[in-house]
Amino acid sequence: NAGVTQTPKFQVLKTGQSMTLQCAQDMNHEYMSWYRQDPGMGLRLIHYSVGAGITDQGEVPNGYNVSRSTTEDFPLRLLSAAPSQTSVYFCASSLSGQGVEGYTFGSGTRLTVV
Amino acid sequence: SQQGEEDPQALSIQEGENATMNCSYKTSINNLQWYRQNSGRGLVHLILIRSNEREKHSGRLRVTLDTSKKSSSLLITASRAADTASYFCATRAGANSKLTFGKGITLSVRP
Repeated sequence: NAGVTQTPKFQVLKTGQSMTLQCAQDMNHEYMSWYRQDPGMGLRLIHYSVGAGITDQGEVPNGYNVSRSTTEDFPLRLLSAAPSQTSVYFCASSLSGQGVEGYTFGSGTRLTVV
Repeated sequence: SQQGEEDPQALSIQEGENATMNCSYKTSINNLQWYRQNSGRGLVHLILIRSNEREKHSGRLRVTLDTSKKSSSLLITASRAADTASYFCATRAGANSKLTFGKGITLSVRP
């Protein structure tokens, strides 16, 4: 099992560019989510999904889109990158959305918007 | 919005000593979880304690939960240099709510 795989690991974007951060898991987890981590801010939830075809907004969804066409994949799209989106992005999954087990995290994507 | 707040923000101890980290939260919870993050890596789940549990052990980890005080503590016994990392508490308010993380504690274990 690879667990949760995120690509790319590093990315530099210019303001206004768009890109997709990829997240894939091979554990047949129903629940997947995206967090961003900023210094002094902890982790903040961007979007999440409780299963294929179902997505919902988290705490800081503006500027990001998600879709969940398969159980395995949960890409995060930046529509028009802004310097405020410079952050480290983590994808996390769990077997269910019921919160009775811990999350498995990917290794992160470090994004810089210039 | 952060639900859990860890204390202290940073902790430096000698190898072999015990490390105690605290987490306080504001609203009722379904469970509380602790995670570790090594520098430049993703978070790793350490332990989950449910609201009806008071204490839980896993190897050198001991977690306590006091729902009346809305607080939890993570104890790492006989610390090792490899325990150097950031530690986060995360709370879940209910079955349909999401996991909310604190800002983390930086633990340094000196060899």
